[in-house]
Amino acid sequence: GDSVTQMEGPVTLSEEAFLTINCTYTATGYPSLFWYVQYPGEGLQLLLKATKADDKGSNKGFEATYRKETTSFHLEKGSVQVSDSAVYFCALSSGGSNYKLTFGKGTLLTVNP
Amino acid sequence: DVKVTQSSRYLVKRTGEKVFLECVQDMDHENMFWYRQDPGLGLRLIYFSYDVKMKEKGDIPEGYSVSREKKERFSLILESASTNQTSMYLCASSSYSQGYSNQPQHFGDGTRLSIL
Repeated sequence: GDSVTQMEGPVTLSEEAFLTINCTYTATGYPSLFWYVQYPGEGLQLLLKATKADDKGSNKGFEATYRKETTSFHLEKGSVQVSDSAVYFCALSSGGSNYKLTFGKGTLLTVNP
Repeated sequence: DVKVTQSSRYLVKRTGEKVFLECVQDMDHENMFWYRQDPGLGLRLIYFSYDVKMKEKGDIPEGYSVSREKKERFSLILESASTNQTSMYLCASSSYSQGYSNQPQHFGDGTRLSIL
């Protein structure tokens, strides 16, 4: 079955540091890939997505590239801010329907001033 | 913007009670979902619905049921609440799309349910 593995947290960085959160997946067919972010006390928000190999999703300075050869979708940001502190979830949706999302377990990011 | 509204942010119930969690979306989405979120386990799908009165089991449906009588509303029901159902419950919706271009899911703010 489908699965998503993302790096264990928590991750603690100083403001303006470079961020990478690794995500690899196993899926049948050609999945779409997503990163969601959950700020404290809130639900999940879509951060970015990519629907085919070599696509790059980007939003709010974050980006991730769909790498089919390595089955990866790592999240990166060049300079994090305190306001980026949140839990980040990698997810995939496979097949022709969009019924199901399979999530990774989430990575807690804390950015200190 | 898509708005997914869950009826309660916090809820405290007792074991054995029948519990209803309500979710409403305002974007005419076909698909609606219920997840539970637990530390170290991430999000797990309980049930989803792809049309009015249609439902399918997710990964952990035991102890839960759902109801979708109107397109905009999706209810999660705990038939007889137990302490192991204490969790954060998240509702989501998405539009239908064909082919491989999948639409993202839009989430509510969650209901933190405690069963005593």
